[in-house]
Amino acid sequence: QKEVEQDPGPLSVPEGAIVSLNCTYSNSAFQYFMWYRQYSRKGPELLMYTYSSGNKEDGRFTAQVDKSSKYISLFIRDSQPSDSATYLCAMCIKNNDMRFGAGTRLTVKP
Amino acid sequence: DGGITQSPKYLFRKEGQNVTLSCEQNLNHDAMYWYRQDPGQGLRLIYYSQIVNDFQKGDIAEGYSVSREKKESFPLTVTSAQKNPTAFYLCASSIEGFSGNTIYFGEGSWLTVV
Repeated sequence: QKEVEQDPGPLSVPEGAIVSLNCTYSNSAFQYFMWYRQYSRKGPELLMYTYSSGNKEDGRFTAQVDKSSKYISLFIRDSQPSDSATYLCAMCIKNNDMRFGAGTRLTVKP
Repeated sequence: DGGITQSPKYLFRKEGQNVTLSCEQNLNHDAMYWYRQDPGQGLRLIYYSQIVNDFQKGDIAEGYSVSREKKESFPLTVTSAQKNPTAFYLCASSIEGFSGNTIYFGEGSWLTVV
């Protein structure tokens, strides 16, 4: 079993839809949870960062962490074609190696 | 502008050759990392360095080597011992080791074995 599981998709939605991206993990010691956005042939860029459980909102993006279920989510409201990218979840214990999901490829169609 | 510069963007290697990927950062970060990204897999850590003249192996260090002679530079050599080197290589840096909110990635280097 991988430490971090993420459905690779691909996921295709119409413009304006709400997108839900998810990861599950097995290591209960993870404390920091991140979502990165990666455009084609580019490096990942940090989108959201959450410490421990709870919700965090930034514009159209909301990150949720449920440590009891070992489940994290990223919601994108009013999705735009410019949101089309691969979304990577990542998590770590402070000062230890980050673990990444495989990435979900999202296409938002105009 | 501050950031991480990787070069070359695309590189072709013949079997049996060593190649070196360059990574330079002007963010004044102490920690630097090399990751490998393959289709359908998450990023996997090759090597990391938390201070100058010190580096540690990651999960998939076999067939790779690094050096950290300067704070801003962390080159990766892909040796002929790496059996499947075709991949997208990402360099990253952070203020301190493995703090998720401060890790920045370069634009990546594509290596293809021909």
